[in-house]
Amino acid sequence: SAVISQKPSRDICQRGTSLTIQCQVDSQVTMMFWYRQQPGQSLTLIATANQGSEATYESGFVIDKFPISRPNLTFSTLTVSNMSPEDSSIYLCSVGPGQGAGETQYFGPGTRLLVL
Amino acid sequence: AQTVTQSQPEMSVQEAETVTLSCTYDTSESDYYLFWYKQPPSRQMILVIRQEAYKQQNATENRFSVNFQKAAKSFSLKISDSQLGDAAMYFCAYEVMNRDDKIIFGKGTRLHILP
Repeated sequence: SAVISQKPSRDICQRGTSLTIQCQVDSQVTMMFWYRQQPGQSLTLIATANQGSEATYESGFVIDKFPISRPNLTFSTLTVSNMSPEDSSIYLCSVGPGQGAGETQYFGPGTRLLVL
Repeated sequence: AQTVTQSQPEMSVQEAETVTLSCTYDTSESDYYLFWYKQPPSRQMILVIRQEAYKQQNATENRFSVNFQKAAKSFSLKISDSQLGDAAMYFCAYEVMNRDDKIIFGKGTRLHILP
């Protein structure tokens, strides 16, 4: 199993600013994922972050808006840039083998973001 | 395109009773995995149970069991002897086997446990 922590746990931000969310895992993992969970909605994958390569973004998400770093096998950051109220969501990171292995994904506790 | 549908946005069950949460999915694949995840108010997503599509036997984990109907593309979760700690959002999820595709989540069902 993997234990994942996220910082901050919550934040209130002003429109037009940026916030960087950190995700720390207690073991080395290859695949890290960033999800957005809008109020009352399901999880939507933003991007997949592999160490040593560019993040892979899902349709509707772009690097300029959600830049991701993955400097090593235990850490990743997601930045929400030039925020608007529509970015108010919970942002979760997860780790798992992915690639159709059918193994459980381990999720962080999420970062609750409110943009005013 | 693969989709996962949870038709019950909210459900309530009396403590100690049994409740069934519905999930249907649409896929043209034959090999895949199905999951139920639980998200309590703490927001920590936890895997409840998983099912391999090639297995006919329904998965069980203590008080949690599934009714997997592959032909009908149905994957319901049964919670027996409901406990207050079962109150949470429950998400049904789908993953294609051996392919680097994303996991598809349903919109979730919020389960309330009535004391």
